[in-house]
Amino acid sequence: AQKITQTQPGMFVQEKEAVTLDCTYDTSDPSYGLFWYKQPSSGEMIFLIYQGSYDQQNATEGRYSLNFQKARKSANLVISASQLGDSAMYFCAMREFNNAGNMLTFGGGTRLMVKP
Amino acid sequence: ETGVTQTPRHLVMGMTNKKSLKCEQHLGHNAMYWYKQSAKKPLELMFVYNFKEQTENNSVPSRFSPECPNSSHLFLHLHTLQPEDSALYLCASSQTGGLGQPQHFGDGTRLSIL
Repeated sequence: AQKITQTQPGMFVQEKEAVTLDCTYDTSDPSYGLFWYKQPSSGEMIFLIYQGSYDQQNATEGRYSLNFQKARKSANLVISASQLGDSAMYFCAMREFNNAGNMLTFGGGTRLMVKP
Repeated sequence: ETGVTQTPRHLVMGMTNKKSLKCEQHLGHNAMYWYKQSAKKPLELMFVYNFKEQTENNSVPSRFSPECPNSSHLFLHLHTLQPEDSALYLCASSQTGGLGQPQHFGDGTRLSIL
């Protein structure tokens, strides 16, 4: 079974609107962390936001927020006030506490395209 | 220089060539990683090094040979590659310990095998 599932291969959003990128995960480990990364066409992976499984509040970082629903095992990324520069691939990733090393498991990604 | 630097950015090589990819991090991290990113596939972890010791080899073919001489440098030596090895190779680094330590990535090396 896939550990990280991103069901939206591609999405369009109008500039200045908000957009939600979906991520569901599968783990039996009670302790885990969830990450979102942005990958522009240039290739680098940029860390955006982190949510720990025991965090009481949803993480926020500027225009990025994480809608963490633990019971549903979902960790959706919300980008508010989209900008043209937000057009990129977005990856959700998970690290499990009992996983050897510091390994991240990545989802397949969502391509976001912001329309002017 | 800051962050994670990868060289070269682009590499074209024949199947019989030998080449090396280089990664350097200036973040004081003690873990380094190689990933492979092929078209239409999730990012695949290849190797993990913690404190210069290899702690993970994700069933990578022996034509890929990593080397980590110190905590700041990571190499990927390539030999007798196949066309399916064409991909973006990403290096990352992080601090060990703590679930919340993010991995910081370089810009990647785009490899094309002729």
